[in-house]
Amino acid sequence: GAVVSQHPSRVICKSGTSVKIECRSLDFQATTMFWYRQFPKQSLMLMATSNEGSKATYEQGVEKDKFLINHASLTLSTLTVTSAHPEDSSFYICSARAFVGTSGRGAYNEQFFGPGTRLTVL
Amino acid sequence: GENVEQHPSTLSVQEGDSAVIKCTYSDSASNYFPWYKQELGKRPQLIIDIRSNVGEKKDQRIAVTLNKTAKHFSLHITETQPEDSAVYFCAAYNNNDMRFGAGTRLTVKP
Repeated sequence: GAVVSQHPSRVICKSGTSVKIECRSLDFQATTMFWYRQFPKQSLMLMATSNEGSKATYEQGVEKDKFLINHASLTLSTLTVTSAHPEDSSFYICSARAFVGTSGRGAYNEQFFGPGTRLTVL
Repeated sequence: GENVEQHPSTLSVQEGDSAVIKCTYSDSASNYFPWYKQELGKRPQLIIDIRSNVGEKKDQRIAVTLNKTAKHFSLHITETQPEDSAVYFCAAYNNNDMRFGAGTRLTVKP
């Protein structure tokens, strides 16, 4: 399947600093990428949909000024957690949509996940 | 928007028994239903999926069924093994985004 990388895998920072997380599709182009947040023992919560060349679409309750998303190319989306606080500590996972084929009812896509970034804000 | 519910939240079975996890969805436009297995601290891994034009799909010990009329789909694992222990997520996808169920923590006791 398609490969998605994420960097860094783990980051520890002080409260008030900003942290940038990169999500890359390595062997395919992704016009759409997704950013999820996962708290311990909980499900993946969609934060925003990142579209190449346009503004991201944020889910209700997610502060766009706090979680800045930039999808500058077809293989890279970045999430910047600005002025991070301890409550922002979480596991952040990106995914990228890849076109995988066609069926009798039209084209379809699948999502491939990055390995995740564990953010700890002290 | 889509809303996916998943049950049970935890499931404990004896090795060799079967495990069944059920999900319901709300958006009739959803047409793709993947199941993911996630081990602690790792990314979700796709284990099986089903599209809306199929009612059942099987891959060795894993099978998924879909009832579009009732808007529910299920994951079946037969002959469970300790390495099947993980958190399983269902999801519903409608070409715009994917919504996940809350997850089921499966424990297979040897």
